[in-house]
Amino acid sequence: QKEVEQDPGPLSVPEGAIVSLNCTYSNSAFQYFMWYRQYSRKGPELLMYTYSSGNKEDGRFTAQVDKSSKYISLFIRDSQPSDSATYLCAMSEAGNTPLVFGKGTRLSVIA
Amino acid sequence: DAGVTQSPTHLIKTRGQQVTLRCSPKSGHDTVSWYQQALGQGPQFIFQYYEEEERQRGNFPDRFSGHQFPNYSSELNVNALLLGDSALYLCASSLVSLYGYTFGSGTRLTVV
Repeated sequence: QKEVEQDPGPLSVPEGAIVSLNCTYSNSAFQYFMWYRQYSRKGPELLMYTYSSGNKEDGRFTAQVDKSSKYISLFIRDSQPSDSATYLCAMSEAGNTPLVFGKGTRLSVIA
Repeated sequence: DAGVTQSPTHLIKTRGQQVTLRCSPKSGHDTVSWYQQALGQGPQFIFQYYEEEERQRGNFPDRFSGHQFPNYSSELNVNALLLGDSALYLCASSLVSLYGYTFGSGTRLTVV
């Protein structure tokens, strides 16, 4: 079993839809949870960052962490074609410890 | 303010050759980490440098080595290249006292 599991998709939705992305993990020592967006041939760009459990909202994006279930989610409201990218979840045990990534989910938002 | 700069952008090498990739961290950052991202996979941690020393290392063979210079820039060296080393190599910089990584756009290495 991999430390972080993420469905690679691809996921295709119409413009304006609510998108739900998620990851599960096995290492209970993870404390920091991140979502990165990666456009083709580019490096990952940090979208959301959460410490421990709870919810965090930033504009159209909401990140949720449920440590009891070892499950994290990213919701994108009113999705736009510009949201089309690969979304990577990442986790770490402490500050500046290595990030452990999921495989990434490829999302296409169709106009 | 420049972010993380990596060079070269692309390169093609032959099996058995050696390669050096370079990274300039974001201004103010003092820690550099390297990741390998194979096609269709998430990035995998190779190693991290702080104060010119390797602080942490992932599950990569000794063919992968690195260096950090006094100006915090870093190099990743890979010896005896294998076809399986073909990947996007990402550099991420951070400040040891704060949480948060900034990634560069990567170097795409193709081994033929």
